Amino acid sequence: AQSVTQPDIHITVSEGASLELRCNYSYGATPYLFWYVQSPGQGLQLLLKYFSGDTLVQGIKGFEAEFKRSQSSFNLRKPSVHWSDAAEYFCAVEGNNDMRFGAGTRLTVKP
Amino acid sequence: SQTIHQWPATLVQPVGSPLSLECTVEGTSNPNLYWYRQAAGRGLQLLFYSVGIGQISSEVPQNLSASRPQDRQFILSSKKLLLSDSGFYLCAWSVVGARGYTFGSGTRLTVV
Repeated sequence: AQSVTQPDIHITVSEGASLELRCNYSYGATPYLFWYVQSPGQGLQLLLKYFSGDTLVQGIKGFEAEFKRSQSSFNLRKPSVHWSDAAEYFCAVEGNNDMRFGAGTRLTVKP
Repeated sequence: SQTIHQWPATLVQPVGSPLSLECTVEGTSNPNLYWYRQAAGRGLQLLFYSVGIGQISSEVPQNLSASRPQDRQFILSSKKLLLSDSGFYLCAWSVVGARGYTFGSGTRLTVV
C-alpha cells in the first residue's frame, strides 16, 4: 500500500519569507499526489495535485509543488508567506481505492 | 455543482452512548465515499470506504461501523462509544475513474 511521510511536524516562518514543506511518498505505481490545507476546525481544501506531465505544478493561493521521481518527493513551496497561510498542510498519495495522508505539517507565521 | 454535507458539526457524547454521523453528497451519482478520522495532533486515518450501495470496506477494525443505505448517503455509527473514539471525523467523496477527493467540513466528536 502507498504511504506518505512529512518529516516536519511544525514549521515557523516569518511573514514574507519563503516556505518549503517536505513530502516523501512510497508507491509502486505512478503516483497521484496532492497537497491539502486545513484551517482549525475545518475540512480539507485542495491546494494542488500532480498526475503526470510537467513536474512543477501550480495551485491556489500562490502555492506550487515539484514532483521529483528520483527522490520520491513532492515538496510544497511558496515564495512569500502571508499570515493567512497559517494552517495545517497535508500531503497525500492516491492508490486504487483510497488516499493515504501524511501526518501533516503545522505552519505558524510570525508577524 | 457537487456539494458534500456533513452533520453535526460538533458532538459531545458520554461513554457507552450510540453514535450516528451522516454524510450526503449532492450533484453526482454513484460516488465513492470515505470516512476518515483525525485524532489530535495526528494525520488522517482512513476508516471506511464505499464504492456503492451496501458495499463497505473497513480499513481498521474498531468500535465503529459504516453503512450506505442510499447512493449518496454514508453513515458512520457506533453502538457504544469509547473515550478513544474522540476525534475529528471527515467524510469525503470522489468520482469513479477520476482522481482526487472532496472533503466535508467535518464533525468534532468528544466522548466524555
